[in-house]
Amino acid sequence: EVQLVESGGGLVQPGRSLRLSCTTSGFTFGDHALSWFRQAPGKGLECLGFIRSKIYGGTPEYAASVKDRFTISRDDSRSIAYLQMNSLKTEDTAVYYCVRVSSQATDLFDSWGQGTLVTVS
Amino acid sequence: DIVMTQSPDSLAVSLGERATVNCKSSQSVLYSSNKKNYLAWYQQKPGQPPKLLIYWASARASGVPDRFSGSGSGTDFTLTISSLQAEDVAVYYCQQYYSRPPTFGQGTKLEIK
Repeated sequence: EVQLVESGGGLVQPGRSLRLSCTTSGFTFGDHALSWFRQAPGKGLECLGFIRSKIYGGTPEYAASVKDRFTISRDDSRSIAYLQMNSLKTEDTAVYYCVRVSSQATDLFDSWGQGTLVTVS
Repeated sequence: DIVMTQSPDSLAVSLGERATVNCKSSQSVLYSSNKKNYLAWYQQKPGQPPKLLIYWASARASGVPDRFSGSGSGTDFTLTISSLQAEDVAVYYCQQYYSRPPTFGQGTKLEIK
């Protein structure tokens, strides 16, 4: 069974940093790109960016809204992805999801973690 | 960016009846070389993450009941639930993966009448 489990969320003050982890199992981690999404309370889904599989360079891309503050990385030896968030703002308050990108198509998201809540206050 | 617009914003349907959600993209998401529509549907139940239901506009994801179907091409798409069950109460999102960044509709909230 494919599993993605986010951790590292919590309450943080504005201007501080936080690193989220996404621990995965049940699939060949190195074969997939991973993406991070967030969903503010009562709002829709926002794609923050993704990181390619090593076969395609392992490089990240980011949404314009977080490009200068957030960093996505991956550790294929441990099947973990990370989201480093710096200079946090109150508007970053949301549930953050780690998402597996399907092998069938770029930007098709076939498995989602349960999410971790980040509150910036 | 491709803008995805869903209608209606909310919908109330009786148990056992048909539910239909529409999605329109600001430009075609049909890739001419492979004749595939780069359009997916997701279901998000209260307190849960989204779940992939439909991809390539009409292919059901693994384990999705056959009462869920997707149709459409180009810029206009439809998600149909043929016979609404209580467990289908959720917000439904369409998403295009034709071009970056991937974009989602605003969501349609489906409730029981």
